[in-house]
Amino acid sequence: DAGVIQSPRHEVTEMGQEVTLRCKPISGHNSLFWYRQTMMRGLELLIYFNNNVPIDDSGMPEDRFSAKMPNASFSTLKIQPSEPRDSAVYFCASRFGGTSYEQYFGPGTRLTVT
Amino acid sequence: AQSVTQLGSHVSVSEGALVLLRCNYSSSVPPYLFWYVQYPNQGLQLLLKYTTGATLVKGINGFEAEFKKSETSFHLTKPSAHMSDAAEYFCAVSDNTGGFKTIFGAGTRLFVKA
Repeated sequence: DAGVIQSPRHEVTEMGQEVTLRCKPISGHNSLFWYRQTMMRGLELLIYFNNNVPIDDSGMPEDRFSAKMPNASFSTLKIQPSEPRDSAVYFCASRFGGTSYEQYFGPGTRLTVT
Repeated sequence: AQSVTQLGSHVSVSEGALVLLRCNYSSSVPPYLFWYVQYPNQGLQLLLKYTTGATLVKGINGFEAEFKKSETSFHLTKPSAHMSDAAEYFCAVSDNTGGFKTIFGAGTRLFVKA
């Protein structure tokens, strides 16, 4: 299996622009998570989905952030408009469930907003 | 509510010395416990996990951890540190409240001196 795939790996954009981050979870996994990691705040859970349905979005910082999971093999995290304080590494992770419950992380997208 | 406390944001050991990274958790029901490792510019990788059964669990790269319910602890150890162990380590807890949402600790950065 290819693991969790995220694109792009790096994104540099100007303040005010729309940013879309993409994630393909591991095939067969039924939960998907979006995290943000910064030096100041560490690893923060933004939102997670079970069977493509958003379960908990309490970590989404503002209305500028939105996430979708139109099917079991694809999810997006969108920031519109972007701000310099959104600069961070964004990770996607997926989980099978069952009796394991460990998460498998993608390589991350490093976002820089200037 | 679940919570995880990792004692020490930075730990420094000499090569060949014992590695001990401390983790205490809070959970109202029997927890699932995890240690993840993050190398620079990579996503988190599962190091080991405790779900049920034997309280001493062994993971990859010679690491192990012991679940101590009376102390609500899940400390990570390795008898002899190697330079390649230098990374950030995250303890995490998950339980069946809130859909097995996983809570991560703030992380401990391990430095290994030659």
